[in-house]
Amino acid sequence: SAVISQKPSRDICQRGTSLTIQCQVDSQVTMMFWYRQQPGQSLTLIATANQGSEATYESGFVIDKFPISRPNLTFSTLTVSNMSPEDSSIYLCSVEEDPYRSDTQYFGPGTRLTVL
Amino acid sequence: AQSVSQHNHHVILSEAASLELGCNYSYGGTVNLFWYVQYPGQHLQLLLKYFSGDPLVKGIKGFEAEFIKSKFSFNLRKPSVQWSDTAEYFCAVNHEVGFGNEKLTFGTGTRLTIIP
Repeated sequence: SAVISQKPSRDICQRGTSLTIQCQVDSQVTMMFWYRQQPGQSLTLIATANQGSEATYESGFVIDKFPISRPNLTFSTLTVSNMSPEDSSIYLCSVEEDPYRSDTQYFGPGTRLTVL
Repeated sequence: AQSVSQHNHHVILSEAASLELGCNYSYGGTVNLFWYVQYPGQHLQLLLKYFSGDPLVKGIKGFEAEFIKSKFSFNLRKPSVQWSDTAEYFCAVNHEVGFGNEKLTFGTGTRLTIIP
């Protein structure tokens, strides 16, 4: 399976600021996803990011708050904008190596964000 | 609302005990089913998956799961647990969301604690 890395691994940020999280994959993948895991809760899909097209956001998530870039087949960024304490979560990226072959997502190590 | 349910929030077992974690889903149509595991301090890892064929699937570390279509269930089992199985276990269902798109929805997770 693909090896996925995320930067930063954790950060503590002030209210009102923005943080950009990077996701790097060691192979080319078509589909990348961004999830949020709030404290003590399960994973919730924020958006799907396919190279060459606009990200598709789930209900409750908007581009102004969580802008996403997908400049190539190995990299994506998620920005958490104008942060509030409610944004404190673990943010994870995942990849689906070949949607026509596996339908299986593999996850990065996550970015633990604390907003003060 | 359609969902993935894990009714056991926290399970505590002694080593060598048998394990069964429940997972039920409410999606119709074709589904792909997954169990992921998150060991303390580590990232989410794929434990096993079911796409088609034999409804009893075997995964890593002696885990297995059985897909029972009539019950919309995909329970995880292990005949004899070890202390190293202490982790958070997530059931996930890949299901159709219209227009040929699919989405991976996670259950709320089950925290498993093994007592030596």
